[in-house]
Amino acid sequence: AQTVTQSQPEMSVQEAETVTLSCTYDTSENNYYLFWYKQPPSRQMILVIRQEAYKQQNATENRFSVNFQKAAKSFSLKISDSQLGDTAMYFCAFMKQQTGANNLFFGTGTRLTVIP
Amino acid sequence: EPEVTQTPSHQVTQMGQEVILRCVPISNHLYFYWYRQILGQKVEFLVSFYNNEISEKSEIFDDQFSVERPDGSNFTLKIRSTKLEDSAMYFCASRDRGPTIYFGEGSWLTVV
Repeated sequence: AQTVTQSQPEMSVQEAETVTLSCTYDTSENNYYLFWYKQPPSRQMILVIRQEAYKQQNATENRFSVNFQKAAKSFSLKISDSQLGDTAMYFCAFMKQQTGANNLFFGTGTRLTVIP
Repeated sequence: EPEVTQTPSHQVTQMGQEVILRCVPISNHLYFYWYRQILGQKVEFLVSFYNNEISEKSEIFDDQFSVERPDGSNFTLKIRSTKLEDSAMYFCASRDRGPTIYFGEGSWLTVV
């Protein structure tokens, strides 16, 4: 079974500063995907970034980047130049890479507050 | 940009009543999902659906739950006899052959 652990229930950051959210996971799979989803107060789940386990290069999307350490099974999210709109719950998620429907396994989330 | 749409956004129902949550996945997507999030908790997988049948279901998805894709467009989740503990946000999601799952805005179900 896959488990995803987010050890930081809450974090805060000053506007324009950088913050890193932690995520670790446990799996016996070699091929998989990792995701960060954002859930603002509107409750919608929005994809932030995706990482393929077979890629050594860390994914980046504008101000969002990840530090993927496959051996350590660690997948942290770095948010640079934090903006007020980044205030949200952030969920780390895992998906096996295989044929079929494949579902996501989520962590418990980190509530991020950006302070003006 | 295509998106997953869900109705209703919020429903209040009495315990024991049947509820149907509706979803229109992104056109041409192949895989469909329902997830649940009890307030303050993590998002939990309920069921996945592909090629007009259930691919996988979790322990939560018991006989009270069913899914249907009646017309090639809509994807519904039915809860036959709601319980208080069914109160949650229900997310519909879909994906094509790629790995990214796209979520709808959720249907908030309150059972009283």
